[in-house]
Amino acid sequence: GAVVSQHPSWVICKSGTSVKIECRSLDFQATTMFWYRQFPKQSLMLMATSNEGSKATYEQGVEKDKFLINHASLTLSTLTVTSAHPEDSSFYICSASSGLEGMGGLYEQYFGPGTRLTVT
Amino acid sequence: AQSVTQLGSHVSVSEGALVLLRCNYSSSVPPYLFWYVQYPNQGLQLLLKYTSAATLVKGINDFEAEFKKSETSFHLTKPSAHMSDAAEYFCAVTVGDDKIIFGKGTRLHILP
Repeated sequence: GAVVSQHPSWVICKSGTSVKIECRSLDFQATTMFWYRQFPKQSLMLMATSNEGSKATYEQGVEKDKFLINHASLTLSTLTVTSAHPEDSSFYICSASSGLEGMGGLYEQYFGPGTRLTVT
Repeated sequence: AQSVTQLGSHVSVSEGALVLLRCNYSSSVPPYLFWYVQYPNQGLQLLLKYTSAATLVKGINDFEAEFKKSETSFHLTKPSAHMSDAAEYFCAVTVGDDKIIFGKGTRLHILP
């Protein structure tokens, strides 16, 4: 149980275009979803936290107009990288939390497999 | 402010030898602590977590970690390394209501 999927697993796009990445919790309802960015050989950096039905909370330094997050349902969150540039190339990972005690409570996050974005 | 420090960006051990990956944390409140493993081009998998119950926590694949408040440490160990353990390992600590922050990671290399 507690499976999180991401689509696509990799994407190549041209500079100036927008790319949407989906994150789905397949067998549980995710009250909170998180989006991380990981540069090669570096740690995960939290970009934003989203709760179903409300606006995402972005971390300091993350441009909310560039990285649009929508958490439309308890099983789906999307990250749209708008007007992508080569410096946006990265590995984007989402995670989901149900907040339920039986699933580890508030802090246990279940991670998706990641999406490799390359902007040319 | 909460933070987590992983000592050693790369650790190499021989197959069958003890694995020790170090993690120290800083937290103003009792923390929850985690160890995750990441294989190349994949997401993170939870190895184990400390949530203020037993200080010695056992996880998957024979990994365990001990919470030592006096040393503010949460080191990860495994008695006998296997080739399949080669991966990136991240220590993480809770921040605020529901967020966690990650250490910079330790790449574990297994020598045949």
